[in-house]
Amino acid sequence: QSVLTQPPSASGTPGQRVTISCSGSSSNIGSNTVNWYQQLPGTAPKLLIYSNNQRPSGVPDRFSGSKSGTSASLAISGLQSEDEADYYCAAWDDSLNGLWFGGGTKLTVL
Amino acid sequence: EVQLVESGGGLVQPGRSLRLSCAASGFTFDDYAMHWVRQAPGKGLEWVSGISWNSGSIGYADSVKGRFTISRDNAKNSLYLQMNSLRAEDTALYYCAKDSLPSVTTIFDYWGQGTLVTVSS
Repeated sequence: QSVLTQPPSASGTPGQRVTISCSGSSSNIGSNTVNWYQQLPGTAPKLLIYSNNQRPSGVPDRFSGSKSGTSASLAISGLQSEDEADYYCAAWDDSLNGLWFGGGTKLTVL
Repeated sequence: EVQLVESGGGLVQPGRSLRLSCAASGFTFDDYAMHWVRQAPGKGLEWVSGISWNSGSIGYADSVKGRFTISRDNAKNSLYLQMNSLRAEDTALYYCAKDSLPSVTTIFDYWGQGTLVTVSS
């Protein structure tokens, strides 16, 4: 069981905007930056957003991240079929002294 | 091109040991921290352990502390995970991941394809 809580599933139609939430506490999201990873079916995870809202080179600007207090969000605009994947948030927890991933959100493009 | 290739996985009995390796190429290995992350079948990601560029800073998840040991050989561009006293719940695909900095952070910018460890009698 993770200290970061994500909804198990999300969905949207092509072109739509969807958001995925990640809820934590003062010892993790509240005091550290959040990263997001995308895992396409059958592949290794890929860094999608780092330091709350930064995109690595090559990641489309359709993907954006934000953080407020003890929660973070990943937004995907102009949803495409190839965005169908599992999405994980991650943050360091100062109390538990370790890195934690959220439970993951499976995004379905209808 | 950055490449991370894990090896050493397999079927092992509970209580036995296994050593995983990760061969790195395409970047200056000793400039970056490295990590192991695992994923049980059908489950989410779990950070296992991380090690700084010079092995001066090492961290473990509570679930493996005291049983697993991470190490690196910068001369061989290799990362290792010694796993002792294995349990059924250690069954997972083990990924090697590159950190974005020399110190242990939470930003893993490259991942290998993983090596499968199955703990079963």
